[in-house]
Order: sequence, then structure tokens, then C-alpha cells
Amino acid sequence: DGGITQSPKYLFRKEGQNVTLSCEQNLNHDAMYWYRQDPGQGLRLIYYSQIVNDFQKGDIAEGYSVSREKKESFPLTVTSAQKNPTAFYLCASSISGLTEAFFGQGTRLTVV
Amino acid sequence: SQQGEEDPQALSIQEGENATMNCSYKTSINNLQWYRQNSGRGLVHLILIRSNEREKHSGRLRVTLDTSKKSSSLLITASRAADTASYFCATAINAGGTSYGKLTFGQGTILTVHP
Repeated sequence: DGGITQSPKYLFRKEGQNVTLSCEQNLNHDAMYWYRQDPGQGLRLIYYSQIVNDFQKGDIAEGYSVSREKKESFPLTVTSAQKNPTAFYLCASSISGLTEAFFGQGTRLTVV
Repeated sequence: SQQGEEDPQALSIQEGENATMNCSYKTSINNLQWYRQNSGRGLVHLILIRSNEREKHSGRLRVTLDTSKKSSSLLITASRAADTASYFCATAINAGGTSYGKLTFGQGTILTVHP
């Protein structure tokens, strides 16, 4: 089955710890995105990548880091510098940055 | 800041009625897209309208785009209880190369359709 997979679905971490969220796609898409969703605030863009080994900051990149070493993978690290990391994180991919995006099912991160 | 702003924030209607959601944006776009999200799930793409198009249809969905007003609307006709979800507009903006883009979303409209 082709698609985009995020793991894990739920993640609990202690305050001050770094945590990495996984996003894998087998759609052969060039573009990949990470969004954060908080209640009542829609989706905010964290980072996006158009091609392998290249990525750009979105609107709320502070406290996050990414890598794009392989076309199919775009992991997101939530660092201890992120002041309020508890949120729902969504990964998406598209053929190019100007076509429809396909979303994973999301990772709900809770920092305790 | 969000590129898209949606109106209304919430909409409650009866089954069979039409639902209209509006989206306004700030900068020039390559295209505008509408997505649907069921609670706690990922988003699903509904329809894409390019900047040189004015109207597009897909089943019970009708999307309009007015680039002079930087606004779009999504109309769902003959709504069903299963249409209950959040709906988001997203703008695709050229960023760098000819096919490079940045996709940013609005706040969304929560639609509730009562049986």
C-alpha cells in the first residue's frame, strides 16, 4: 500500500528531553512538510523540504530540527528549546510543493 | 502568521442544507486547496483550484476563487451527517524553483451537520 506513515501515534516525554517523530512515505514524493496543530489554531508550518538534503524553516521553526537524508524520510526532532511542545504533529508529502498533499495520521505528543 | 483566514469558525446546519465556508489570504498564490479533517485524524485533500481558474466542481463540492479579492469559498450542497468535520483552506505559494512551493493552512471551519 502506498502512503505516508507517522509513528508513534502517541508519545509521552518528560520536560527537557529531545524527542524525534518519524515520517516515512513510499509515494515517491519530492516535497515533505511538518505541521503543528493546536486546538483552535489550525495547522502551522514548522519545516518543509522540496528535495533530498534541502529543507526550509516554516513559520514556527524555533525549537525544532529536521533532516532529509533520504527521499522517503523526514524526521522531526522536538528539542528541549521548544517551550510548549505538547501538540498534535502532522506530516505531509506531495509530488511537488504546488500539488495536493497527502497526510499521515499524526503523532500526539504530550510532555509531562 | 497564518496565510489563510477562514470564516465562519464554526457552522451548524441540518442535513440537506447547503454549507458555505470562506477563506481569505494575503499574498499571491499558485493555487488554493481545500482539505477535510475528521477529529484527531490526518487531513484529506478535497479539491485544488489554480490561480487562473474561477470555479471548480467535484461531486457535491463547488469551489470559487477570486484572486482580486484574495478569497475563496467552498460550498457543500445537500449536506449529510457524514460531512461533519473540520475544513481547511491551504494556499500554495511559489518558493524558489518553478515547481517549488510552500503550503500554508488557515484556521479551519468546524462544520456540524445534524441528522
